[in-house]
Amino acid sequence: DAKTTQPPSMDCAEGRAANLPCNHSTISGNEYVYWYRQIHSQGPQYIIHGLKNNETNEMASLIITEDRKSSTLILPHATLRDTAVYYCIVIRNRGSTLGRLYFGRGTQLTVWP
Amino acid sequence: KAGVTQTPRYLIKTRGQQVTLSCSPISGHRSVSWYQQTPGQGLQFLFEYFSETQRNKGNFPGRFSGRQFSNSRSEMNVSTLELGDSALYLCASSGGEAGVRGEQYFGPGTRLTVT
Repeated sequence: DAKTTQPPSMDCAEGRAANLPCNHSTISGNEYVYWYRQIHSQGPQYIIHGLKNNETNEMASLIITEDRKSSTLILPHATLRDTAVYYCIVIRNRGSTLGRLYFGRGTQLTVWP
Repeated sequence: KAGVTQTPRYLIKTRGQQVTLSCSPISGHRSVSWYQQTPGQGLQFLFEYFSETQRNKGNFPGRFSGRQFSNSRSEMNVSTLELGDSALYLCASSGGEAGVRGEQYFGPGTRLTVT
């Protein structure tokens, strides 16, 4: 599975959009981009995933570049409760590593009032 | 739907003892994965079970083992506990469609302290 690179920390004002970048330059054609977050002392929470096209759900939007080498998770109106570590993970949805998520160090997002 | 439940939530053991942790997945989910989280190593994959079979195993010693029952509930066991096994142990379940197992739902974890 492709490795990912994320900034260790970011901050954002409450009510503003939080844009979290992820680099996955070695991604291959059958690999998906997943985003999770972990609020302190809780289990990770699935946010969104995508293959090629941009995706949106009630939590966030995922923008994947055309060459698929990077992506951005967008929280459109960040709140204090969005303060968490955000993980970008690239995995295949088929094959021997099914079900195995590789969590890096992620990005600590701090939303301030 | 009820979420993933893990028991116990907190546990204190002494070195050399063994421990069994339990995980009940979301109803209808057939895949259960286990992860260990420590401040130094972050979140690390232990193993995954699907339909009572271990499908994938991380790089942990044989002291770490698991199993899955016919109702998809899973247990993990750590024998001969070491101080370094102190960690948050997380269980995650995912839905039954073959191949779509990147979308995983985590429980609150079991905090194990080894003294």
